[in-house]
Amino acid sequence: GQQLNQSPQSMFIQEGEDVSMNCTSSSIFNTWLWYKQDPGEGPVLLIALYKAGELTSNGRLTAQFGITRKDSFLNISASIPSDVGIYFCAGRNLGGSNYKLTFGKGTLLTVNP
Amino acid sequence: SQTIHQWPATLVQPVGSPLSLECTVEGTSNPNLYWYRQAAGRGLQLLFYSVGIGQISSEVPQNLSASRPQDRQFILSSKKLLLSDSGFYLCAWSLAGYWRNQPQHFGDGTRLSIL
Repeated sequence: GQQLNQSPQSMFIQEGEDVSMNCTSSSIFNTWLWYKQDPGEGPVLLIALYKAGELTSNGRLTAQFGITRKDSFLNISASIPSDVGIYFCAGRNLGGSNYKLTFGKGTLLTVNP
Repeated sequence: SQTIHQWPATLVQPVGSPLSLECTVEGTSNPNLYWYRQAAGRGLQLLFYSVGIGQISSEVPQNLSASRPQDRQFILSSKKLLLSDSGFYLCAWSLAGYWRNQPQHFGDGTRLSIL
């Protein structure tokens, strides 16, 4: 089935640093979503992208829908300790099911104070 | 606004025992509903989804079943649990209707441990 390649798998950074992670797919997507999951909780939607080239911000977070429609990235600026968690990309590929999302395997972010 | 509730939050069950996890959504009608399992390796595996009462689509063959007895209620069940059923189970919902690219919103999950 459809797979997303999310990288990096994990990151260890110092508080205040910027972070960048990305997802790529082998097929064209019409929706890209970014979620954050805190330990023991469900993923929470951070940013939703629906158009190629779209750049959307949510506070210190910025995500972009790649022009080729096969990739997306998420940037976090000036990281703080509460940014710790697992970040997932998810998408819906063009021509795929209206109901199902494909998820990346997540990026585990650790922020050292 | 819409909210999603899952219970119980944690559950410890012996092998061979039955299972019933419940999920309810408030604040919307006719949502799409989903059950996922998240293993320790972090990936999210879609188990079932439902687009309406009594309509269940199964994604992977397994020891589990799902039911949707009411519009905003989704239940995950098993008659006899296996050790391999251990994991973190997440329920999610999305808006149905004319705009298909709706994001999914997750509950807080149930941590299931099989002994």
